Amino acid sequence: GENVEQHPSTLSVQEGDSAVIKCTYSDSASNYFPWYKQELGKRPQLIIDIRSNVGEKKDQRIAVTLNKTAKHFSLHITETQPEDSAVYFCAAKGGSTLGRLYFGRGTQLTVWP
Amino acid sequence: NAGVTQTPKFRILKIGQSMTLQCAQDMNHNYMYWYRQDPGMGLKLIYYSVGAGITDKGEVPNGYNVSRSTTEDFPLRLELAAPSQTSVYFCASSYAGLNDEQFFGPGTRLTVL
Repeated sequence: GENVEQHPSTLSVQEGDSAVIKCTYSDSASNYFPWYKQELGKRPQLIIDIRSNVGEKKDQRIAVTLNKTAKHFSLHITETQPEDSAVYFCAAKGGSTLGRLYFGRGTQLTVWP
Repeated sequence: NAGVTQTPKFRILKIGQSMTLQCAQDMNHNYMYWYRQDPGMGLKLIYYSVGAGITDKGEVPNGYNVSRSTTEDFPLRLELAAPSQTSVYFCASSYAGLNDEQFFGPGTRLTVL
């Protein structure tokens, strides 16, 4: 099956700085790559996703880039705010497994005021 | 729409006891999933279902059972609870083939003593 690796496991930034989280995947047929944000004690919630026919997608301060050749994708958060502090998970949908997502281990992002 | 609902929110079990975690969705999603999340860790897939009457194992199925008799409900059964099953359990659903986004329930926090 698919294998997703995520780095770094923890990330601390100053408010207003940018944060970048990177993930790699193993299945070249994977075609859907979502990012989830999980605040402490809450459920994971989708913040942005990208499909394999798109190289970049942006939504206000959040952007995701995908490099299919290198099999990696990244989450970029600009102008970080304390409320961005959370655990972020990347995931990939394998090409041969309808619906099932393979998750990375998560990145704890802390934004200091 | 209530989305994905889970009951109970919290539960304490003694070793060897059994229980069923309930999950329901009202979005007419065909796919449903059960994950567990240990403290400070990522999401591990226990079981998933691609439709009523069809279930399959995920990464960590041992000690659990599932059934899916209707599109809406996907209960998770724990038999002979063990301390290693102390975790937060999330149910999720998606409409694979149209939109791959997985929607998560609020979670059940289970402690086995």
